[in-house]
Amino acid sequence: GAGVSQSPSNKVTEKGKDVELRCDPISGHTALYWYRQSLGQGLEFLIYFQGNSAPDKSGLPSDRFSAERTGGSVSTLTIQRTQQEDSAVYLCASSSYGQDYEQYFGPGTRLTVT
Amino acid sequence: GENVEQHPSTLSVQEGDSAVIKCTYSDSASNYFPWYKQELGKRPQLIIDIRSNVGEKKDQRIAVTLNKTAKHFSLHITETQPEDSAVYFCAASGSSASKIIFGSGTRLSIRP
Repeated sequence: GAGVSQSPSNKVTEKGKDVELRCDPISGHTALYWYRQSLGQGLEFLIYFQGNSAPDKSGLPSDRFSAERTGGSVSTLTIQRTQQEDSAVYLCASSSYGQDYEQYFGPGTRLTVT
Repeated sequence: GENVEQHPSTLSVQEGDSAVIKCTYSDSASNYFPWYKQELGKRPQLIIDIRSNVGEKKDQRIAVTLNKTAKHFSLHITETQPEDSAVYFCAASGSSASKIIFGSGTRLSIRP
């Protein structure tokens, strides 16, 4: 079956603009995660959804970042007033239940803020 | 909250030798410890995981050990091969409502 998909694969935006990143999890997976990975760095947890609710939003770097999930499926991560330090690969993952199950990662969206 | 430390940050081993990567965690309630492998330019993929009711798990050349008392767990790769070159991430997770925390990663290089 289809894996986790993300769009766009690459996004170049000007500083100060808003961007929306999309994640389509594996069908039936109730848990969805967003991570940020800067070049050569580790996985920075951003937010976790269980169904449509987000039990933990503490990983969001600032109030410019927000995420939503509707219908227990697709999720969008929105970054407002982008800054150069937002440049990174944004990875989405889903798992069948909660955080203690295998996560399947998408290919990521490479965001470049100029 | 949970904190996961991973060592070493880089590791170079001769092909055929073993590689060991170690992680420590802080939250005694953590009960799930996965290891992910990320090849250059690719997405992370789970290679092995262990739950707190087990002390060791093995899958071919890969094994993971868990010491709950000391709050540390390790990844062991035996008979390393060139395709083992990648970045490896450990992680720790508690209940389904708590966030999973990843270690900072280990870049493993296999010398021919």
